[in-house]
Amino acid sequence: NAGVTQTPKFQVLKTGQSMTLQCAQDMNHEYMSWYRQDPGMGLRLIHYSVGAGITDQGEVPNGYNVSRSTTEDFPLRLLSAAPSQTSVYFCASSYGIFAPETQYFGPGTRLLVL
Amino acid sequence: GDSVTQMEGPVTLSEEAFLTINCTYTATGYPSLFWYVQYPGEGLQLLLKATKADDKGSNKGFEATYRKETTSFHLEKGSVQVSDSAVYFCALKDGGSQGNLIFGKGTKLSVKP
Repeated sequence: NAGVTQTPKFQVLKTGQSMTLQCAQDMNHEYMSWYRQDPGMGLRLIHYSVGAGITDQGEVPNGYNVSRSTTEDFPLRLLSAAPSQTSVYFCASSYGIFAPETQYFGPGTRLLVL
Repeated sequence: GDSVTQMEGPVTLSEEAFLTINCTYTATGYPSLFWYVQYPGEGLQLLLKATKADDKGSNKGFEATYRKETTSFHLEKGSVQVSDSAVYFCALKDGGSQGNLIFGKGTKLSVKP
């Protein structure tokens, strides 16, 4: 079991560029989510998915898109990066939608937007 | 809406000192409460949890008791070690939500030898 993997670990973008943050899990988890972590702000939920083909918005969805074509993968897309999206991004997954205590977090992607 | 408030950090302690990190919450209904730990360069890991009033969660020497009357879930450890240096997050899940967690801002703990 690799758990939750995220790529890349670090990325620098220019304003207006697009990119996709990859997230994959090999635990057959239904529930996957993306958070951003900013200094003094804790973690804030961006988008989440309760299963393949089903996604929904979290607390801070603007500027981000997601899709869930398979159980394993949950990529996060930035269509036009802005400096305000400089952050550390964490992907997480859990066995069920009502079981956050089973949530596993990936190691994070550090994104810098210039 | 639901929210979690943690004491501001950073907290710096000497090894073997007693640790308390305060956490209070605001929620409708009856939330489940969690403490997560984030070691440097890593993702978050669940440290302990409590699902109803008066429950005590414990793990690795850390404890927290769900106090409904004071809406609190303070994290305690009797004797900290250097290896406990990390950022600690208090979080809640409302009973009516779809499993999404609401996190506090985190408290950074540094333990000196």
